[in-house]
Amino acid sequence: AQSVTQLGSHVSVSEGALVLLRCNYSSSVPPYLFWYVQYPNQGLQLLLKYTSAATLVKGINGFEAEFKKSETSFHLTKPSAHMSDAAEYFCAVSGSGYSTLTFGKGTMLLVSP
Amino acid sequence: GAGVSQSPSNKVTEKGKDVELRCDPISGHTALYWYRQSLGQGLEFLIYFQGNSAPDKSGLPSDRFSAERTGGSVSTLTIQRTQQEDSAVYLCASNAMTEPGTGELFFGEGSRLTVL
Repeated sequence: AQSVTQLGSHVSVSEGALVLLRCNYSSSVPPYLFWYVQYPNQGLQLLLKYTSAATLVKGINGFEAEFKKSETSFHLTKPSAHMSDAAEYFCAVSGSGYSTLTFGKGTMLLVSP
Repeated sequence: GAGVSQSPSNKVTEKGKDVELRCDPISGHTALYWYRQSLGQGLEFLIYFQGNSAPDKSGLPSDRFSAERTGGSVSTLTIQRTQQEDSAVYLCASNAMTEPGTGELFFGEGSRLTVL
């Protein structure tokens, strides 16, 4: 079985500041890891995914995440926040190709001018 | 359509009534998932279909919940004798992968269920 812990239900940053959203996972096998974003009243859309290739993964809208096996982490970062980044972000893990995704509880990113 | 379509977008019902939620996945996507999103709880997996069969329905919270998929396309999630704790947004997602854990899920906008 796999699980995901997202630290912080809410993260507030100023426009232009670094964004860091934390995700730690638990999996008994090498995981597949994902970050999804949900804008208000919309469905989720994929930001980026790690599937055992490069440990530093680049996604859309300037986001990236680094897989660190020793820390069981997959934190999401963006060098400079924009107002349009305000949304809820979900980390997800799959323990194998044949298992379904387990999502974290989400982190709401608030961006102030 | 181009994306995953869900209906109704909003449903208000009285406790004890049955409700049906519909999902129309992206054409050609063999895998279909139902998740439930409650405030502060993230996404809770309900059931996964590959074609018309459901290899994983471990997330259905009680026997009041059931789902079916016909023709490898449209799926219906049925909740019988609704309770107030069933109030949530029900999300449907699909992808074209036979290995569901490896690929991107494409989500609908959800059906918001309110049980009074």
